[in-house]
Amino acid sequence: EIVLTQSPGTLSLSPGERATLSCRASQSFSSTYLAWYQQKPGQAPRLLISGASSRATGIPDRFSGGGSGTDFTLTISRLEPEDFAVYYCQQYGRSPYTFGQGTKLEIK
Amino acid sequence: QLQLQESGPGLVNPSGTLSLTCTVSGGSIGSSHYWGWIRQPPGKGLEWIGSIYYSGDTYYNPSLKSRVTISVDTSKNRFSLNLSSVTAADTAVYYCARRAVSAAMGWFDPWGQGALVTVSS
Repeated sequence: EIVLTQSPGTLSLSPGERATLSCRASQSFSSTYLAWYQQKPGQAPRLLISGASSRATGIPDRFSGGGSGTDFTLTISRLEPEDFAVYYCQQYGRSPYTFGQGTKLEIK
Repeated sequence: QLQLQESGPGLVNPSGTLSLTCTVSGGSIGSSHYWGWIRQPPGKGLEWIGSIYYSGDTYYNPSLKSRVTISVDTSKNRFSLNLSSVTAADTAVYYCARRAVSAAMGWFDPWGQGALVTVSS
């Protein structure tokens, strides 16, 4: 099983700042199989990024993803008030499909 | 626009069986996709439970495989989850979601709104 470890657990930033979230895998895999989701309280996760760097339909370009091998990042260039949420990475290349434990992005 | 909606009892007795259904609208469950279940205990992260193809082909998370059955009803455009021998640790919000057959497109999208199931007597 591929274990995904996200850091930091909580990130406190202000609107307008840049956020960088990390996702590290216990074993290397192709970036083709890495997704990022955003989850707000009481809502289902929403797909942001697939294939490590491809934005899903309707996702603003302030969201970007990158990385390869075991290290992946999600960057939000300029935080908007609606971006404060919990973010999860997920690998879908090898069963069982696994998620990171999440990074909570909170307003400072 | 494809939509998924979970339904089922919100309270299950310990040692009983948790049963949920996901109804698909705005598209056919017989399309080239897998249909899956993911759960999230209160305040915790996400865990993939298993997935099914419209043909009935299934695959499960090994951590739950002995207790999980996922089935599909193409005539009603829905699929179902049964989880047996439940304990308080199975209390969670249960989501259904779609994923592509192609592994390279195997992310989960869209998701249902989720159904909270509490295991308690």
